[in-house]
Amino acid sequence: AQSVSQHNHHVILSEAASLELGCNYSYGGTVNLFWYVQYPGQHLQLLLKYFSGDPLVKGIKGFEAEFIKSKFSFNLRKPSVQWSDTAEYFCAVNSPSGGSYIPTFGRGTSLIVHP
Amino acid sequence: AAGVIQSPRHLIKEKRETATLKCYPIPRHDTVYWYQQGPGQDPQFLISFYEKMQSDKGSIPDRFSAQQFSDYHSELNMSSLELGDSALYFCASSLTEGLNTEAFFGQGTRLTVV
Repeated sequence: AQSVSQHNHHVILSEAASLELGCNYSYGGTVNLFWYVQYPGQHLQLLLKYFSGDPLVKGIKGFEAEFIKSKFSFNLRKPSVQWSDTAEYFCAVNSPSGGSYIPTFGRGTSLIVHP
Repeated sequence: AAGVIQSPRHLIKEKRETATLKCYPIPRHDTVYWYQQGPGQDPQFLISFYEKMQSDKGSIPDRFSAQQFSDYHSELNMSSLELGDSALYFCASSLTEGLNTEAFFGQGTRLTVV
């Protein structure tokens, strides 16, 4: 079965620091990859996605992610975080499941940004 | 733009009671997914429907059932509630495009079992 690993469960940064959150997946075939953000008390919102093409994907709010197929990784980055980036971040992978494609989520990374 | 609508937003039930959660997908989306997110946990896939038929099943307890109706809205029925069922329940919908399918999530129903 498909699995998604997020290595950093809790990250604490100061404003303007750079961010990199790791994500690895296990499926060896073609996958589509997503990063979602969940602000406190809110629903999941899509940050960015990779379907094909340029492995460096740019998303909303200055986030980007790089798909490295050889490493089965899709790490999320932001050069300078803001206090408003405090949230839970989930990496997800679409992979075949029966006749459809089910998003499978990693455990999430809790990011706290101090002003 | 229309989003996925879930109701109710908050629900408090006692142990052994039943609960029904509703999900209204984005118009023209053909797939609905249900996820359960416990405190501090990642969303766990419960069940999905494609064109009103159950398409995949995840870690859904036998006490739970779900269906999708002719108008594409879906309901998650939960019986004999346990304290451990307290969680945020997300519904998502998508328009199936093979591997390029993107799920859009609702705001969730927060269920508290006391």
